Amino acid sequence: NAGVMQNPRHLVRRRGQEARLRCSPMKGHSHVYWYRQLPEEGLKFMVYLQKENIIDESGMPKERFSAEFPKEGPSILRIQQVVRGDSAAYFCASSTTSGATDTQYFGPGTRLTVL
Amino acid sequence: AQSVTQLDSQVPVFEEAPVELRCNYSSSVSVYLFWYVQYPNQGLQLLLKYLSGSTLVKGINGFEAEFNKSQTSFHLRKPSVHISDTAEYFCAVSPLGAAGNKLTFGGGTRVLVKP
Repeated sequence: NAGVMQNPRHLVRRRGQEARLRCSPMKGHSHVYWYRQLPEEGLKFMVYLQKENIIDESGMPKERFSAEFPKEGPSILRIQQVVRGDSAAYFCASSTTSGATDTQYFGPGTRLTVL
Repeated sequence: AQSVTQLDSQVPVFEEAPVELRCNYSSSVSVYLFWYVQYPNQGLQLLLKYLSGSTLVKGINGFEAEFNKSQTSFHLRKPSVHISDTAEYFCAVSPLGAAGNKLTFGGGTRVLVKP
């Protein structure tokens, strides 16, 4: 049973470009969470999605960031017009249900570097 | 809103010695509590979680944690560490009854086990 897959593992962008981060949840999981880890900090919640729905995006910056989880295919975190401050590790996690009794399984992360 | 404080950013410890990692939280509602471990360049792995019941929780790899409601703490312990326990450890909480299992993380404690 494959774990949570994220790609690319490393992504380098120049200021002003777009970054697209992909997350394939574990088989049978329909709940996806995205977290951002800035250098020397803990993870910060960004967005929680179920298939085709954004449930909670309270941690998403108001501009340039968007997320989707289509009926088919991976979840996508999209960052438009990247800036140096977007350099971070982005992790997604998936679970079977939304309950806290259900463990979130994390992917290996995408490390974004903005030059 | 919730917040989590991990009082030690780094903890050096000798192999086979005990270790305690401190975690305090603040929340206006009841929460579930978690400890995750992050090995270098990997995603997070759940060590243990407290949902209800006995305040002493046993997890994987010989770790345990004790929930103290009056002190709003959830300290992690291991009686004898191995070199392989070198990693970063994150304490996290999520509020009961909220939609989804949005985790709020502490800043992390980096454990370095020395031979």
